[in-house]
Amino acid sequence: DQQVKQNSPSLSVQEGRISILNCDYTNSMFDYFLWYKKYPAEGPTFLISISSIKDKNEDGRFTVFLNKSAKHLSLHIVPSQPGDSAVYFCAGYSGAGSYQLTFGKGTKLSVIP
Amino acid sequence: DTGVSQDPRHKITKRGQNVTFRCDPISEHNRLYWYRQTLGQGPEFLTYFQNEAQLEKSRLLSDRFSAERPKGSFSTLEIQRTEQGDSAMYLCASSQFSHGAFFGQGTRLTVV
Repeated sequence: DQQVKQNSPSLSVQEGRISILNCDYTNSMFDYFLWYKKYPAEGPTFLISISSIKDKNEDGRFTVFLNKSAKHLSLHIVPSQPGDSAVYFCAGYSGAGSYQLTFGKGTKLSVIP
Repeated sequence: DTGVSQDPRHKITKRGQNVTFRCDPISEHNRLYWYRQTLGQGPEFLTYFQNEAQLEKSRLLSDRFSAERPKGSFSTLEIQRTEQGDSAMYLCASSQFSHGAFFGQGTRLTVV
């Protein structure tokens, strides 16, 4: 039972353009969502989060959108830079309990100079 | 204190041997988590501590796995009688209050 799904294993974008990474979830109990970025042989690095009571959160070049009715969220990176090339993971958690994160399988973003 | 620290970064062991990993969380964080990541997958939750109490364990954590967090500071994860299926990246994370966790760089375990 995959509670968080990232259906695109990979995405290629030209430098300067917008990158849009998508994530779907099935667990209605999630009340917080996070995006992590991961380089090879390193641990995930926290990027941006959003509470389930909001529909948008912005931090610099990164914006996360949440559509609760569709159980869908997306991460927009604008403008994309070559240093953004990494694997991006979407994760959700419920505030009731341990706050353990449930991750998707990730999307590998390649930003082409 | 610049973040979550894990030791060792890499470990190669023979099948059947025991291994132990260490995690030092961000000092003011009271929550500590262990995750495991295999190729092509996202990190999977293993266990969670609040201070020194181990409050939750995943069914992925077989009886060959044990984790401790004495005094609510650093934590250790031990795997006994390692199997090839244990080969993975073991990630430690810590958090304060209810916000998202900060991860260490992980320990890459290879069982040969």
